[in-house]
Amino acid sequence: IVLTQSPGTLSLSPGERATLSCRASQSVTSSHLAWYQQKPGQAPRLLIYGPSTRATDIPERFSASESGTDFTLTISRLEPEDFAVYYCQQYHQTPLTFGPGTKVDIK
Amino acid sequence: QFQLQESGPGLVKPSETLSLTCTVSGGPISNYYWSWIRQPPGKGLEWIGYLYYSGTTDYNPSLKSRVTISFDASRNEVFLDLSSVTAADTAVYYCVRAYGASWGQGILVTVSS
Repeated sequence: IVLTQSPGTLSLSPGERATLSCRASQSVTSSHLAWYQQKPGQAPRLLIYGPSTRATDIPERFSASESGTDFTLTISRLEPEDFAVYYCQQYHQTPLTFGPGTKVDIK
Repeated sequence: QFQLQESGPGLVKPSETLSLTCTVSGGPISNYYWSWIRQPPGKGLEWIGYLYYSGTTDYNPSLKSRVTISFDASRNEVFLDLSSVTAADTAVYYCVRAYGASWGQGILVTVSS
């Protein structure tokens, strides 16, 4: 399953709303899609899975939704620590695959 | 809460075998899937494969002929062997619980003579 993320880069200011998209090349049944955040020099961190359940200790400003093969991650109000790269991943079938990532940087 | 720690050589010669160990603490490795995921410098994430504690494995077809994932339950360790490496295998290698629930800090492995 190929995952396509858009945009490649999102330039926003703290306090603004971020909307990140992930499209799957085929159905991801049982909503087996996850979102990760990765900061430079760090391992990815699970944000949301299943596809809209926040992982432990993830703030409520992170939310996700799905519509068919289209998935969206929303950050309601960007905090300084939210500027990072975000990946979507499908774990519906092997090989597990990731999208190419969306970089959220400071405008 | 699980903690994962990768270890192994940071430099491997071309054509040799890359061997890494993931030491798991905070709980037994039983009842979970354990994955290896890698990330070439400046690039995205690639799933290498996973192992279930029962011994069942599944590998990325792009690497399947060269990969072996195994474990030692008595030591709570998961292993990765990748044979016949080339420069294209240079990456940060992550040990991961399930599909991505918990991640190790990663280990950079460079393939170079």
